[in-house]
Amino acid sequence: AIQLTQSPSSLSASVGDRVTITCRASQGFSNALAWYQQKPGKAPKLLIYDASSLENGVPSRFSGSGSGTDFTLTISSLQPEDFGTYYCQQFNSYPLTFGGGTKVEIK
Amino acid sequence: QVQLVQSGAEVKKPGASVKVSCKASGYTFTGYYMHWVRQAPGQGLEWMGIINPGGGTTTYAQKFQGRVTMTRDTSTSTAYMELSSLRSEDTAVYYCANDYYYDSSGYSSLRHWGQGTLVTVSS
Repeated sequence: AIQLTQSPSSLSASVGDRVTITCRASQGFSNALAWYQQKPGKAPKLLIYDASSLENGVPSRFSGSGSGTDFTLTISSLQPEDFGTYYCQQFNSYPLTFGGGTKVEIK
Repeated sequence: QVQLVQSGAEVKKPGASVKVSCKASGYTFTGYYMHWVRQAPGQGLEWMGIINPGGGTTTYAQKFQGRVTMTRDTSTSTAYMELSSLRSEDTAVYYCANDYYYDSSGYSSLRHWGQGTLVTVSS
């Protein structure tokens, strides 16, 4: 199974900051990666699909990049509503796997 | 609009089984594979498996092989996930979620999610 390692596991940043979350895969693949945001008590919400495509309705301050073993989610200007836990997920091969999550807090 | 509506919370004793339903609406049920993902309290997301609502074929994560059964009823556009031989470690919120693309065989991001079903296993 492909293992996904996210870093950092948590971060605290101020409104307006640029935030970067990294997802490293145990084996490389092209663009079969997604990013989700989850708020407490809610289902995950798809932000980025196919590594860099922005899901409909998701603010343009979110962006994804990468291929191979290293992928990145960037929030260009952190907003108060961006708190929550972010997960990467690979769909290159079964079993589908998720990263361990990155908890984002607003200072 | 696409909706996935799951059945309500369950409390089960160790050794019992639970069956969670996921009723889909707003799209062609048979055209998009359905995944099941669970999340233990305070933990991350864990993929359990997938069903092709069109043909009924399934793929399960090895961890759940022999204990999980995923089925569907195309007449009601409902997917089901049954987990047997429950133990305390199965206490979690269980989610259904569908593929992003039509007929993508499960190799896809998970676009729409159900609201989750809390299953509590306790004696």
